[in-house]
Amino acid sequence: SQKIEQNSEALNIQEGKTATLTCNYTNYSPAYLQWYRQDPGRGPVFLLLIRENEKEKRKERLKVTFDTTLKQSLFHITASQPADSATYLCALAPNSGGYQKVTFGTGTKLQVIP
Amino acid sequence: DARVTQTPRHKVTEMGQEVTMRCQPILGHNTVFWYRQTMMQGLELLAYFRNRAPLDDSGMPKDRFSAEMPDATLATLKIQPSEPRDSAVYFCASGSPSGNGYTFGSGTRLTVV
Repeated sequence: SQKIEQNSEALNIQEGKTATLTCNYTNYSPAYLQWYRQDPGRGPVFLLLIRENEKEKRKERLKVTFDTTLKQSLFHITASQPADSATYLCALAPNSGGYQKVTFGTGTKLQVIP
Repeated sequence: DARVTQTPRHKVTEMGQEVTMRCQPILGHNTVFWYRQTMMQGLELLAYFRNRAPLDDSGMPKDRFSAEMPDATLATLKIQPSEPRDSAVYFCASGSPSGNGYTFGSGTRLTVV
């Protein structure tokens, strides 16, 4: 069955360091992959989208890589700040022509320690 | 900023009652999703629409859940009859034809007692 795996354990990191979150998937052929941020009591907020033919995408302090051979995406936050503390979700859309049935991972909670 | 509006924000109801949740997607967005989030299951896709037509509702318990888009400015999710296991946060999200990420509402926190 299709599975999207994110590290369920919280990631604690010192302010100023680079945080790296992992999203692995199995039995899936995604057309694209998205990353979202979710704060407590709020809906997810879209951060970045990377397509299957792209290796890397950047936006300010954020960087996403996509390795379709390893079936893995890495999400990096450089120069992390306490305000980056949140749960980060990856989401995959299937490569099935015209459909946008996006499936989410369970998320990784990031805590940036001052 | 354009936003997805969901009402109500919170709902407490007794088992067996009907619950209706509403969503106003962003004007111009042609895809609307309903998700349910619990601690155990995370975000589960219940149903989604494109140009108001239902494309997939395989994630919904058909006997009690129904989703509709009576017009482009309103999507509804109904549960009848509600059960305690339906307690969760229900999110609506909408997406534009460019497909560059989806905008989520703030959710409806449903508690069925």
